[in-house]
Amino acid sequence: EIVVTQSPAALSVSPGERATLSCRASQSVGSNFAWYQQTPGQPPRLLIHTASTRATGVPARFSGSGSGTEFTLTISSLQSEDFAVYYCQQYNDWPSFGPGTKVDVK
Amino acid sequence: VQLVESGGGLVQSGRSLRLSCAASGFTFDDYAMHWVRQSPGKGLEWVAGISWSSTHIGYADSVAGRFTISRDSAKKSLYLQMSRLRPEDTALYYCAKSPPGYSSSWSPFDSWGQGTLVTVSS
Repeated sequence: EIVVTQSPAALSVSPGERATLSCRASQSVGSNFAWYQQTPGQPPRLLIHTASTRATGVPARFSGSGSGTEFTLTISSLQSEDFAVYYCQQYNDWPSFGPGTKVDVK
Repeated sequence: VQLVESGGGLVQSGRSLRLSCAASGFTFDDYAMHWVRQSPGKGLEWVAGISWSSTHIGYADSVAGRFTISRDSAKKSLYLQMSRLRPEDTALYYCAKSPPGYSSSWSPFDSWGQGTLVTVSS
C-alpha cells in the first residue's frame, strides 16, 4: 500500500496571497498524482491530475508540480472560494489519499 | 454527468447493506467506477474500484473480504455489497467515476455523487 502524507495539516492565508501545499508518497508514483478541493457539504472536486494537468474548468491560479514522491499544489492568489480542504491522491497503484490540508482565512 | 447514490441508512454491527449508484449523462460502459468514503469530520478513503469490463477489481485492506463491488451495464448502475459491517464503517459513501483514458481502476476521479450516509451502531 502506498501511503500519502500531506503538510501542513492547516494553513492560514490572507486573500490575494499565495498558498503552497505539499504531499509525499511512500514510494515513487511517477506522475500518477491528483489534487482535490472540498468545501463543506460538497463532494471533492478534481483540480489537478497527472501531477500538473488542470482539470476542465479549473482556474489557472491553481498549479501542480512534482514527480516521483514529492508533489506541490500552488494557489497563486487566494480567492474567497478557495478556502477549503485540499486532498492529494496517488493512483500508481490502488488509489490512496493524503489526510488533507485545511486552508483558512488569516 | 450525474451520479446518484442510494441505499444508506442505520444498521447494526455485523449486518449487511447494499449501496447503489445510478449513473447518467455519460457512456457508463466506457469508464471505471469507484466507491470512496468519508467518516464524519474526517478525510477521504478509497474503498473499492472496478474497471469498465469488471476484470480489474480492487479493495482497500480495511474492507477486503467483507465488501463486494459490482456493476450492471443494462441498469447503468454501480453497487457496493457490504457485509459484516463494523462501527468504523460509518461514513458518507461516494460513488466516483474515472476520467477518459483510464482503462484500469488506477485513476483519479473526475465526477462524484453527493453520497449516501451509512451509520453502523454497536
